[in-house]
Amino acid sequence: DTEVTQTPKHLVMGMTNKKSLKCEQHMGHRAMYWYKQKAKKPPELMFVYSYEKLSINESVPSRFSPECPNSSLLNLHLHALQPEDSALYLCASSQVSGTNTGELFFGEGSRLTVL
Amino acid sequence: AQSVTQLDSHVSVSEGTPVLLRCNYSSSYSPSLFWYVQHPNKGLQLLLKYTSAATLVKGINGFEAEFKKSETSFHLTKPSAHMSDAAEYFCVVILTGANNLFFGTGTRLTVIP
Repeated sequence: DTEVTQTPKHLVMGMTNKKSLKCEQHMGHRAMYWYKQKAKKPPELMFVYSYEKLSINESVPSRFSPECPNSSLLNLHLHALQPEDSALYLCASSQVSGTNTGELFFGEGSRLTVL
Repeated sequence: AQSVTQLDSHVSVSEGTPVLLRCNYSSSYSPSLFWYVQHPNKGLQLLLKYTSAATLVKGINGFEAEFKKSETSFHLTKPSAHMSDAAEYFCVVILTGANNLFFGTGTRLTVIP
């Protein structure tokens, strides 16, 4: 069983909707990540939080808004998405830089469909 | 700059035969290298990792990989394929202490009964 939990597993939304993806981990990790994965492609990094502060934003459109309320939770707020945003969104966590051996623990993902 | 190249987008083997998934990397610094596996509609699971200790790394489910600095390779092998090994495999490099992983394009492994 994965130690990173993502909800919902599936989400269908219209282009005018506002929805959120949620991610939770209880491994004491202080770095958390959002990745976007299109079919038959590797994951693409979107955001990295380190100690609840946004440390990397890979030029993601503002219709995606991340939030890290505490060290265990990571949200991705979605608004005015486009059909091309349909993808599997993966959350991951790791130890922070300095002690980081690079191992990321991934959730099973939230599959998003934008109509 | 860091990157990884997975030389085969698709590998097909018969059940019980050896598996070889190839990965070459480039890194200006001492890299950490990983293999992740992704089963259909699932997240990624770490198979094994190399972090400058032993060059032959053993992972889960009978997989292993050998770090060869002279060849800048980190190929994944398994002596005998099982049907449950059918999945997508990603070779990944990271600069030690950094926050971002660089993914290869993936190799889809098909296991024929």
